[in-house]
Amino acid sequence: QKEVEQDPGPLSVPEGAIVSLNCTYSNSAFQYFMWYRQYSRKGPELLMYTYSSGNKEDGRFTAQVDKSSKYISLFIRDSQPSDSATYLCAYSGGSNYKLTFGKGTLLTVNP
Amino acid sequence: DADVTQTPRNRITKTGKRIMLECSQTKGHDRMYWYRQDPGLGLRLIYYSFDVKDINKGEISDGYSVSRQAQAKFSLSLESAIPNQTALYFCATSDPDRDHNQPQHFGDGTRLSIL
Repeated sequence: QKEVEQDPGPLSVPEGAIVSLNCTYSNSAFQYFMWYRQYSRKGPELLMYTYSSGNKEDGRFTAQVDKSSKYISLFIRDSQPSDSATYLCAYSGGSNYKLTFGKGTLLTVNP
Repeated sequence: DADVTQTPRNRITKTGKRIMLECSQTKGHDRMYWYRQDPGLGLRLIYYSFDVKDINKGEISDGYSVSRQAQAKFSLSLESAIPNQTALYFCATSDPDRDHNQPQHFGDGTRLSIL
């Protein structure tokens, strides 16, 4: 079983839609959960970061973590064309350096 | 100005050439990382450094070497480039906290093509 599985997409939605992006993981040592956004020809940009189960909200973005099910989600409300990008989930665990990334979901929001 | 700066942004070179990619940061972070990104494979860690005297191999270090010249500078070298090293290369930094594993911050990458 792969350490991280991310819905591959691509995902295409109309402007204003609610978007749900999902990842599952298998390593119980993962304690920290992140979502990165990557625009074309740019580096990944940290979007959300959390270490506890539950929801964390930041503007139109909500990160949801369910450690018992080893499942994380990113919800985007009132999606905008500027949200069009690849979204990467990432995890780390314990005291080590390592981030484990999902392969990314390409999202397109159509005006 | 960008906090993590990578040079060059694009490079085309030939098989067998030696190539150096450079990364500098103004974030004051101790930890620095080199990744490559390939379609369908995601981001994979090549090397990482916790400080100037501490350098470690990542999951795909073969064919690569690094140098940590200062806290702010971390270079990646391909000693003899081969076509399957064609990829996007990213440098990242982080500032670990004893209680939480701080996330990494990325540069905008170097697009490397080896013919």
